[in-house]
This record gives sequence, C-alpha cells and structure tokens, in this order.
Amino acid sequence: AQSVSQHNHHVILSEAASLELGCNYSYGGTVNLFWYVQYPGQHLQLLLKYFSGDPLVKGIKGFEAEFIKSKFSFNLRKPSVQWSDTAEYFCAVNADNQGGKLIFGQGTELSVKP
Amino acid sequence: GAVVSQHPSRVICKSGTSVKIECRSLDFQATTMFWYRQFPKQSLMLMATSNEGSKATYEQGVEKDKFLINHASLTLSTLTVTSAHPEDSSFYICSAQPGLARISGTDTQYFGPGTRLTVL
Repeated sequence: AQSVSQHNHHVILSEAASLELGCNYSYGGTVNLFWYVQYPGQHLQLLLKYFSGDPLVKGIKGFEAEFIKSKFSFNLRKPSVQWSDTAEYFCAVNADNQGGKLIFGQGTELSVKP
Repeated sequence: GAVVSQHPSRVICKSGTSVKIECRSLDFQATTMFWYRQFPKQSLMLMATSNEGSKATYEQGVEKDKFLINHASLTLSTLTVTSAHPEDSSFYICSAQPGLARISGTDTQYFGPGTRLTVL
C-alpha cells in the first residue's frame, strides 16, 4: 500500500529564512506527486505538482520541489519565507493507475515569525 | 479558476440523527469527486470516490451504509452521515477534478472548504 511521510510536524522560522519540508513516499510504481497548502481558515490549494520530466518543479509563490526517485522523496523548498507563508503544508501522492486517488502525508505546520 | 463549494460549512447535530453534506463544482463539470475526512492535527484520509451515475467506491474500513454517497449530477455529490455518533465528529472535505473523462492521476483536483461536523 502507498504511504506518505512528512518528517516535520511543526516548523517555526523567522522571516527571510530558508525553508525545506521533507516528504517521502513508499510505492514501487510510477507516481504523481503534489504539494498542497492550507492557509488558516481556507481550503486546500495546489502549490505544485510533478508528473514527469524535469525533477525540479516550480510552483506558485516562489515554492519549488525536487523529485529524487532514488530516495523516494519530494521535498518542498523556498529560499526566503514570509509571514504570509504561515500555513499547513501537505505532501500527496497518487499512483498513475489509481484514477486520481490521493494519499496525503500527515502535514507540516509552518509558523513564520515576523 | 475552478471552485468547489460545500454546504453547510458547519453543522451540529444530536447523536442518532443523519446529516447531509453537499459538494458542488461551481464553474465546471466533474465526473468524479472525492470525499476525505480530516481529524484535528492530522492528515486527510480518503473515504470514497464518488462517481456520477454509478455507485461510489469506498476505501477499506469505511462503512458504506454509514456514509452514503450520491453523485446526482455532474456538479453535485452528497455525503450523508447516517445515525451519527460523537465519533463521527470530524472535518469532511470534498474534491473534484474538471472534466467528463475518467479521472487521471495527473489531473489537478480542486478542494472544497470543508464541513465541520460535531455530533453531541
């Protein structure tokens, strides 16, 4: 069965600090990878996604993620965070033959101090 | 952009009653919608896949008689929690993917704002 693991439960950073959130998945076949963000009181929004091609994908709001197949990882990065990046971040995976069913990681709460 | 709404946003009910939650795609049609459950400080757990015109597909461990799903049209799916109990209290979220074709793993899903259910 597929599973997704996010290593950090709660990350606290100061503004302008660099961010890296870890995400590892377990599945032997072809996967599609996603990062979603949930701002306080809002619904989940897609930050970025990887299907194929360049393993370094760029998303909205300056976020990027790198797919490392050998490590089964899809870590999210941002060079300089802002207070407005305070939110819950979810990594999600679906297998290419699973018809869109998403398996989510546990989520990482990011708090950015002004 | 694609917008998904849920109604109600919050509901409080007595134990033993049934509660219906609606999920609507406002500006697109969706053959397939998904229902998730999110416990406090935890991740989203997929409950079922809602298919327009056919029966829903439930994930292992989810009681189909407890959580009734009806995908009445290409813009509406409903989740009914029957005979609700306090342990059913949770945050229920739906998602939908634009298009009429069979959903693909590479397609983006759009999420609703969620419904907070509290069973007393």
